Amino acid sequence: GEDVEQSLFLSVREGDSSVINCTYTDSSSTYLYWYKQEPGAGLQLLTYIFSNMDMKQDQRLTVLLNKKDKHLSLRIADTQTGDSAIYFCAESMSTLTFGKGTMLLVSP
Amino acid sequence: GAVVSQHPSWVICKSGTSVKIECRSLDFQATTMFWYRQFPKQSLMLMATSNEGSKATYEQGVEKDKFLINHASLTLSTLTVTSAHPEDSSFYICSARPQGTGYEQYFGPGTRLTVT
Repeated sequence: GEDVEQSLFLSVREGDSSVINCTYTDSSSTYLYWYKQEPGAGLQLLTYIFSNMDMKQDQRLTVLLNKKDKHLSLRIADTQTGDSAIYFCAESMSTLTFGKGTMLLVSP
Repeated sequence: GAVVSQHPSWVICKSGTSVKIECRSLDFQATTMFWYRQFPKQSLMLMATSNEGSKATYEQGVEKDKFLINHASLTLSTLTVTSAHPEDSSFYICSARPQGTGYEQYFGPGTRLTVT
């Protein structure tokens, strides 16, 4: 079955880079996504990557995909306190399968 | 663009009553909408997928008679929790897939349901 795993917690200082990692099991995933959820709110799509890509960069966000190892990462450069949130990795064929989320805490 | 709204944002109801939650795509048409449930500090659990004009497809373990889904138009889907019980208290989130895309999915802000 489909399974998406993430580390549960990451703490960084403001200005540092954050790297959130994710592994998935479904090799037929077409797209992989990163969503951000702030307390009490819905999910905000941050970025996505097509499965035939290795890397995608969008301003402070860099997504790396290692399809062989089924490993996805999200790097946030110059992390700010406003980046504190839960980050969900998700993979998709027709419906999304989410990881449990990584809580990112950014301290001043 | 790609804004999804939910109404209400929070609701408190008594056991045994029914509650309707609306999900609207504000600036796009959505042939497919999804309903998720999220428990505290947990991931999102897909409850059902609804396609405009047809019956919803429910995930295993989700009671379709309890969670009624109606996708009446390309911009509106509703979830009705019937005969609510305290264990139905949760955060319900909808998402919508724009017509013509197979991979984009935009989420609403969620509805906090508390059943007393």
